[in-house]
Amino acid sequence: KAGVTQTPRYLIKTRGQQVTLSCSPISGHRSVSWYQQTPGQGLQFLFEYFSETQRNKGNFPGRFSGRQFSNSRSEMNVSTLELGDSALYLCASSLVQSDNEQFFGPGTRLTVL
Amino acid sequence: AQSVTQLGSHVSVSEGALVLLRCNYSSSVPPYLFWYVQYPNQGLQLLLKYTSAATLVKGINGFEAEFKKSETSFHLTKPSAHMSDAAEYFCAVSESGGGADGLTFGKGTHLIIQP
Repeated sequence: KAGVTQTPRYLIKTRGQQVTLSCSPISGHRSVSWYQQTPGQGLQFLFEYFSETQRNKGNFPGRFSGRQFSNSRSEMNVSTLELGDSALYLCASSLVQSDNEQFFGPGTRLTVL
Repeated sequence: AQSVTQLGSHVSVSEGALVLLRCNYSSSVPPYLFWYVQYPNQGLQLLLKYTSAATLVKGINGFEAEFKKSETSFHLTKPSAHMSDAAEYFCAVSESGGGADGLTFGKGTHLIIQP
């Protein structure tokens, strides 16, 4: 079974630009979560989608948004990029049941110059 | 609100020695607890999880963790360290167990294995 895939793996943008990251969950997984990982703040929850609906959102500004498609694939978008948005963005997928493991993708490394 | 504290940002042990990585949590409800490992330039891999079935949880690669409610702890141990265990380890807590409320992670502990 293929794991969680994220594209692109690396991305360089400049301040003020916007970026879209993509995540394909494991086949059959319907929940997709996004996390930001930085050296200073560590791993922080961005948002979670299930059945094309955002069920929960972390403490991030509105510049961070996402969506989920009918095939469970998800995208996240960051508008008006800031230097502090440089991070590893991780996507995780899981089944719906409450005690199921979240499977993480390799991440997208975003660098904002 | 839930939170996780990992004591020690760096832990160094000799190959073959006991590995002990500490994790304390706070949660308003009985929590789900997880340990993840991250190797350089990779995502997170689940080592083990506590979901209230048994207080001593065995995971992959010889790791185990014990849930102690009275101490609000979930420390990770391995009897004998191997060079391949060198990585970043994260303790995480969730009140729902799944993805809906997200995982709250500790800051991580970098495990260094001395030959």
